[in-house]
Amino acid sequence: QQPVQSPQAVILREGEDAVINCSSSKALYSVHWYRQKHGEAPVFLMILLKGGEQKGHEKISASFNEKKQQSSLYLTASQLSYSGTYFCGTEIPSYGKLTFGQGTILTVHP
Amino acid sequence: DGGITQSPKYLFRKEGQNVTLSCEQNLNHDAMYWYRQDPGQGLRLIYYSQIVNDFQKGDIAEGYSVSREKKESFPLTVTSAQKNPTAFYLCASSIVGAAGELFFGEGSRLTVL
Repeated sequence: QQPVQSPQAVILREGEDAVINCSSSKALYSVHWYRQKHGEAPVFLMILLKGGEQKGHEKISASFNEKKQQSSLYLTASQLSYSGTYFCGTEIPSYGKLTFGQGTILTVHP
Repeated sequence: DGGITQSPKYLFRKEGQNVTLSCEQNLNHDAMYWYRQDPGQGLRLIYYSQIVNDFQKGDIAEGYSVSREKKESFPLTVTSAQKNPTAFYLCASSIVGAAGELFFGEGSRLTVL
């Protein structure tokens, strides 16, 4: 049931864009995105609910394709502060729990 | 300030010993969760609770036990039956179950010697 994230790692220069994908084999009710910096707790970025909406948070946005059970996180004009591990979490209807992917390590260099 | 407090931050245990990790929240959240984090495997759900006196097994519950006697508290016991307990443990809470934002504690790092 664990969603699959791709790529596993991304290396960028400041100002470059990146896309992180999250896919599930199950029908989803919602998708969460979190970022974790080394040695710290994960921090919430956004939730996408069933309905295909797209959300944004500064220069970070995400989409949710419920037909394909896929979500993508878009990071534009990356900043050094974007470095960290990004996790997607998926919720299956009626289960009441969030299952996380294995994470994508994003490194932004000057 | 509202938040989630996990203790201890670091813990060393000998093989064969049980250990209990504390998780307390003052956010008035109904749902609480325990996740285990290992390198390259993301966050794996151990147990979760959506209401006091009720909890459910997650994906890797074997060798762990929990209780939810109070809304604010959700302690996790790592028993001697857990074959590979060395890991980083994260507690989280949310106001409306998995549909809401999860707030995480700072984590507890358990090392079995």
